[in-house]
Amino acid sequence: DGGITQSPKYLFRKEGQNVTLSCEQNLNHDAMYWYRQDPGQGLRLIYYSQIVNDFQKGDIAEGYSVSREKKESFPLTVTSAQKNPTAFYLCASSINSLNTGELFFGEGSRLTVL
Amino acid sequence: AQRVTQPEKLLSVFKGAPVELKCNYSYSGSPELFWYVQYSRQRLQLLLRHISRESIKGFTADLNKGETSFHLKKPFAQEEDSAMYYCALLTGGGNKLTFGTGTQLKVEL
Repeated sequence: DGGITQSPKYLFRKEGQNVTLSCEQNLNHDAMYWYRQDPGQGLRLIYYSQIVNDFQKGDIAEGYSVSREKKESFPLTVTSAQKNPTAFYLCASSINSLNTGELFFGEGSRLTVL
Repeated sequence: AQRVTQPEKLLSVFKGAPVELKCNYSYSGSPELFWYVQYSRQRLQLLLRHISRESIKGFTADLNKGETSFHLKKPFAQEEDSAMYYCALLTGGGNKLTFGTGTQLKVEL
């Protein structure tokens, strides 16, 4: 079954702990993205990567980190520096550049910090 | 700075009534706009893009550069249209999408 796989679906962490969200794709897409979805705020871009070993900050990168060591994988680490980490996180990919505007999304990961 | 505005958080219409979901944008470059939809318990997915000038599931959207708008319209709402709709603008030199805050469409019987 092709697509974007995010894990875990639900995650609970104590304040001050780092947590890593997994995102894997088997679509052979070059570009991958992480968005944060909050009620009333829509989707906000955290980080994106257009090719392996390269990534750029999005609009709300503070308190987050990413890596892109493999084309298929783009994990997101929510660090203790993120002031309000409880949110729904969405990973997405696109073929290469966004000329077609089409992103393929995962099912999301809901992080709750206690 | 680029911005996408969807002024309505919730839009409730009766089945068979016309639907218009509003989207306004601000962008200094040549805009490329899209509508994404998220049905209940499904992934967010592309609905349509302005450059294709297509009609998907009866929905259309026309880019109005004078009014900087890209409203989504459907003449007769169906129950299965109930979903969350996001307007998105291609930015960052064509490398990222900036989304609006979304509008929840509820079609009532």
